[in-house]
Amino acid sequence: DADVTQTPRNRITKTGKRIMLECSQTKGHDRMYWYRQDPGLGLRLIYYSFDVKDINKGEISDGYSVSRQAQAKFSLSLESAIPNQTALYFCATSSVGLAGGTAYNEQFFGPGTRLTVL
Amino acid sequence: AQSVAQPEDQVNVAEGNPLTVKCTYSVSGNPYLFWYVQYPNRGLQFLLKYITGDNLVKGSYGFEAEFNKSQTSFHLKKPSALVSDSALYFCAVRAQTGANNLFFGTGTRLTVIP
Repeated sequence: DADVTQTPRNRITKTGKRIMLECSQTKGHDRMYWYRQDPGLGLRLIYYSFDVKDINKGEISDGYSVSRQAQAKFSLSLESAIPNQTALYFCATSSVGLAGGTAYNEQFFGPGTRLTVL
Repeated sequence: AQSVAQPEDQVNVAEGNPLTVKCTYSVSGNPYLFWYVQYPNRGLQFLLKYITGDNLVKGSYGFEAEFNKSQTSFHLKKPSALVSDSALYFCAVRAQTGANNLFFGTGTRLTVIP
């Protein structure tokens, strides 16, 4: 979805390096998410943010940190990359639903960042 | 705990034949259910969702899914498969109350054979 962009699209790095993956969206959504995809494991939630001042850990947050710099920007950092963080990383957004409910609103995904840690 | 099972890693179907991609779920209480499709080198694209109401949900590209509460299933179906339907399909679920996380299945690769 062109409304959700991720940079870089591909990155190869070495163990111990600090890496930042960036996500920007023009959909005007308040809610943003970071997932990783591994073969045979599907997508797993790393962190999510419901607005600029709200950050929440997901299923697998260890080894990752995030920053919500603005409504439209949500970055994911690996402070010291390790090989088992090699994966495909997706950013997603969703809108706030009626009466504040959000659960039923679908998420829109970026194209993904393929990260390889050697 | 919430979870999704897609029992088939791979589904092959001939072009023009009906297709089914299976999904079962586990949540506390009532679920919200979603299907997404992923084409090569692309992010996930939303296909359809079940929130409430009719058990048969119609979505994009001629796909539909049927919510079956007693069997805790949400199978994806299409009456006539196209070669262009070949992709990776993900089922996802979250409970209507409680944590906001969306839980994804491991994906099913659909191959439509010309």
